[in-house]
Amino acid sequence: DQQVKQNSPSLSVQEGRISILNCDYTNSMFDYFLWYKKYPAEGPTFLISISSIKDKNEDGRFTVFLNKSAKHLSLHIVPSQPGDSAVYFCATTTSGTYKYIFGTGTRLKVLA
Amino acid sequence: GAGVSQSPSNKVTEKGKDVELRCDPISGHTALYWYRQRLGQGLEFLIYFQGNSAPDKSGLPSDRFSAERTGESVSTLTIQRTQQEDSAVYLCASSFGGGLGGDYGYTFGSGTRLTVV
Repeated sequence: DQQVKQNSPSLSVQEGRISILNCDYTNSMFDYFLWYKKYPAEGPTFLISISSIKDKNEDGRFTVFLNKSAKHLSLHIVPSQPGDSAVYFCATTTSGTYKYIFGTGTRLKVLA
Repeated sequence: GAGVSQSPSNKVTEKGKDVELRCDPISGHTALYWYRQRLGQGLEFLIYFQGNSAPDKSGLPSDRFSAERTGESVSTLTIQRTQQEDSAVYLCASSFGGGLGGDYGYTFGSGTRLTVV
């Protein structure tokens, strides 16, 4: 029973356009959310996070949106670049705990 | 070291054999985690070490799996009598303290790709 779902296994976007990656969760107790990026043969690297007290967090080209009522998280990348091509995982946890629960990942391909 | 180091990077083993995977965390990181990713699935929590506290082993899938950590340094994950369903990428991560690793999440190693044939 997956608590964190990334329903799109893959996404292709033209360079310069917006990439939107989505993530849904089931447990309303989750209050901290993260996005990780993974290149082939490398470990996941932290990208951006958001606490449940916020609904938006921005870092350069990356913005994470949180809709608590819908239990939905999204990552926007604007403008998308070919170097953004990777697998993106969302992860979530409850404050004070240390286990992250990860989604299955979305493979983003940015076309030059 | 500069990052989390895992060895070997790839391991092919015969069903029924034992394997040992190694993780060197970032110096100063007191928390260490093992996750695995099977094909087409998300990262699955296995075990967590924090300083000298008893580890959280709640994610280990069977008693064939065990892990040790010496102080705040190297950890080894051992899988006995490997089965084909153990085939996965095994990822180690470390962070400052338990909890969320500050604003930066965990730092992951590159993983060990285990193939059981």
